[in-house]
Amino acid sequence: LAKTTQPISMDSYEGQEVNITCSHNNIATNDYITWYQQFPSQGPRFIIQGYKTKVTNEVASLFIPADRKSSTLSLPRVSLSDTAVYYCLVGDQGGGNKLTFGTGTQLKVEL
Amino acid sequence: DVKVTQSSRYLVKRTGEKVFLECVQDMDHENMFWYRQDPGLGLRLIYFSYDVKMKEKGDIPEGYSVSREKKERFSLILESASTNQTSMYLCASSSIVGIAEAFFGQGTRLTVV
Repeated sequence: LAKTTQPISMDSYEGQEVNITCSHNNIATNDYITWYQQFPSQGPRFIIQGYKTKVTNEVASLFIPADRKSSTLSLPRVSLSDTAVYYCLVGDQGGGNKLTFGTGTQLKVEL
Repeated sequence: DVKVTQSSRYLVKRTGEKVFLECVQDMDHENMFWYRQDPGLGLRLIYFSYDVKMKEKGDIPEGYSVSREKKERFSLILESASTNQTSMYLCASSSIVGIAEAFFGQGTRLTVV
């Protein structure tokens, strides 16, 4: 499984765009990149997944460069409610994907 | 809506007891997972199952075992609970079809005294 590296913590203010970068230098050809969000006292929840280039949904955008050795989760105009831990995962889809989470990035949004 | 239900939200057990944590999912998912979460250590995978009666060790299987006799149910067993197993335990499930999004239960906070 490809190992991921992401910042331990980030701070931001309401209304700003936040970009969290994840490094995954040994990503395999079949691997997808998936991001999860976890609030205190809750289980993680899926945010977005991509394979290459750019993916956007109602919550976030995911930017993946051509070499796929890193990815950036972009949260537009964050609010206090976006304060959470964000996890970057890399792995192939389907059965056998062990979903290894790591320690994630603690995002703190202030007024 | 996918639902993953863990049998207890809070549990207090004594050292040496055999402890069962139950997890049930209602979406016919093939994959099921057990994690523990401790401050500063993130989520660590204990065991993973990709089919009935099939299991694979995760990163920290020592002191734990699992059982999956039915597709919808995945049990985590602490054979002889110890204080260092005090933690938040999270169960998850995912399909092997599509984007393999994992759905989590609400967690069980286990305290071993």
